[in-house]
Amino acid sequence: SQTIHQWPATLVQPVGSPLSLECTVEGTSNPNLYWYRQAAGRGLQLLFYSVGIGQISSEVPQNLSASRPQDRQFILSSKKLLLSDSGFYLCAWSVQSNQPQHFGDGTRLSIL
Amino acid sequence: GENVEQHPSTLSVQEGDSAVIKCTYSDSASNYFPWYKQELGKRPQLIIDIRSNVGEKKDQRIAVTLNKTAKHFSLHITETQPEDSAVYFCAASIGNAGNMLTFGGGTRLMVKP
Repeated sequence: SQTIHQWPATLVQPVGSPLSLECTVEGTSNPNLYWYRQAAGRGLQLLFYSVGIGQISSEVPQNLSASRPQDRQFILSSKKLLLSDSGFYLCAWSVQSNQPQHFGDGTRLSIL
Repeated sequence: GENVEQHPSTLSVQEGDSAVIKCTYSDSASNYFPWYKQELGKRPQLIIDIRSNVGEKKDQRIAVTLNKTAKHFSLHITETQPEDSAVYFCAASIGNAGNMLTFGGGTRLMVKP
């Protein structure tokens, strides 16, 4: 069966520091991969999605970037974090179009 | 692009009563509609989904209905239990290559024992 791993679970970072969040999927090949951000008490905002290695689409302009160095690995990065980058970051995967997206356990990021 | 509106934003029901959450979408090309349940501090989990070639789908106490003409779909939970308390999100997808979902703003459901 397919599983998705996301780490770390929580992270506290100072303003201006770099960020790297990692997500890996097991048990499937060539999945679609997604990064979402959820502010406290709010909905899900799609940040990036990828349909294949090296293919990244950005949905909103921001201080973040994403990379997909391997088929089942998706990385969210920032060179210099802002206070507004705080939130709950969720990675998700799906098999193909019109199939369910399945979420990882998320990373709660606090910027001080 | 697609826009999904969800109502109500909060819903309080007595245990055993039914709960209904409604969503409307703007893009008539949307053809896939999942519902997610998110408990506090946890990841969203898929609870049911429906495709545009079906008008209704049921799974035990949960059902979803779709009206393509009116571009709205609803989640129905019967015989609610305290463990149904969570935030529920609807979403819509036009089935493009990226399989992107547009989410509604969420409904906080509280089931009072």
